[in-house]
Amino acid sequence: GQNIDQPTEMTATEGAIVQINCTYQTSGFNGLFWYQQHAGEAPTFLSYNVLDGLEEKGRFSSFLSRSKGYSYLLLKELQMKDSASYLCAVKTTDSWGKLQFGAGTQVVVTP
Amino acid sequence: EPEVTQTPSHQVTQMGQEVILRCVPISNHLYFYWYRQILGQKVEFLVSFYNNEISEKSEIFDDQFSVERPDGSNFTLKIRSTKLEDSAMYFCASSAGGGRGETQYFGPGTRLLVL
Repeated sequence: GQNIDQPTEMTATEGAIVQINCTYQTSGFNGLFWYQQHAGEAPTFLSYNVLDGLEEKGRFSSFLSRSKGYSYLLLKELQMKDSASYLCAVKTTDSWGKLQFGAGTQVVVTP
Repeated sequence: EPEVTQTPSHQVTQMGQEVILRCVPISNHLYFYWYRQILGQKVEFLVSFYNNEISEKSEIFDDQFSVERPDGSNFTLKIRSTKLEDSAMYFCASSAGGGRGETQYFGPGTRLLVL
């Protein structure tokens, strides 16, 4: 089976940086996505990694190490509106298009 | 910006009743999905759909569930004989392609409460 682990909650102050880790154990890794989900709302796409390395998109960056089964999402210059759950999701080669989600990391940004 | 829409936003039903959840995917997308999220739990895959047929389904998606694309724009999830444990947020998603890097865009969800 698949295992995707993320910390449950992280707290950081406005303007700071937070790094959300995700480790996965899958057979046939085929890409990793990060989504943001505000309470009661839909997940919204943030980033995608399939090759090792860093992908940067404005204040958000995502890193992948396939050999370690590890990814992180880096949020810089935190804003209050960044308070949300951040979901790590994996695709595998034995599946057609299914995203398998971790439980999500709740980030709380304080003033 | 194009987006996935879902109706209704909330649905309350009695146990044993049938419900139909509706989705309008992004217009040029060809791949469609349903996920659910029980309160406080992770998002779970239910089914994917392409070219008018199911491509993949999870073990959750048993005979109680069915999907349909009745016309060129709608994509529906039918839940027959609802159970208390079907109470969840149901998300529809769509993607332009089926490749590994294709982003799935999610609708706002339908919150289903079974009493």
